Amino acid sequence: AQTVTQSQPEMSVQEAETVTLSCTYDTSESDYYLFWYKQPPSRQMILVIRQEAYKQQNATENRFSVNFQKAAKSFSLKISDSQLGDAAMYFCAYGFDDMRFGAGTRLTVKP
Amino acid sequence: DTGVSQNPRHKITKRGQNVTFRCDPISEHNRLYWYRQTLGQGPEFLTYFQNEAQLEKSRLLSDRFSAERPKGSFSTLEIQRTEQGDSAMYLCATHPLAQGRNQPQHFGDGTRLSIL
Repeated sequence: AQTVTQSQPEMSVQEAETVTLSCTYDTSESDYYLFWYKQPPSRQMILVIRQEAYKQQNATENRFSVNFQKAAKSFSLKISDSQLGDAAMYFCAYGFDDMRFGAGTRLTVKP
Repeated sequence: DTGVSQNPRHKITKRGQNVTFRCDPISEHNRLYWYRQTLGQGPEFLTYFQNEAQLEKSRLLSDRFSAERPKGSFSTLEIQRTEQGDSAMYLCATHPLAQGRNQPQHFGDGTRLSIL
């Protein structure tokens, strides 16, 4: 069964600085999708960024980028120029229909 | 653009009672998913539909859990004979399969269930 591991329960970053959130996963499939979702307190989960496994190029969305290492089954999220609004739970997710989520990383942004 | 709507937002009930939650998808999103999220954890997949067909239900937590999507639009998740351990946030997400698998699932705000 596919599993997703986020080894950092909490992370903190200074406003305007850069932070990287870690995610590893386990799968025997060769083609799959990976996602990072953000869940602000008491608000709905929204997509931050996605990666298709067959694409070697790392995905980038404005201040958010990923480091996708397929052989290592690693999918880390880098947030550049952190903003106060980035404070939230971040979930790494694998798959499509029966999507598997990690336990999440709580990101705090200090002014 | 109307998002995924879930009702009620919060449900408080006594142990042993039955509860039903509703999810209204984004228009034309033919796939609909149910998840459970307990405190401090990521969402846990329960079941999903494509239109009115329930394509996966083996991950429902027990036979007390059931879901329907009778006309391929809104869906309901029912929990019978609720137990303390059922207390959680229940999330609904929908997906426009026709737009491709690289599109994300869109989540609702969830229904928080509290068992007294």
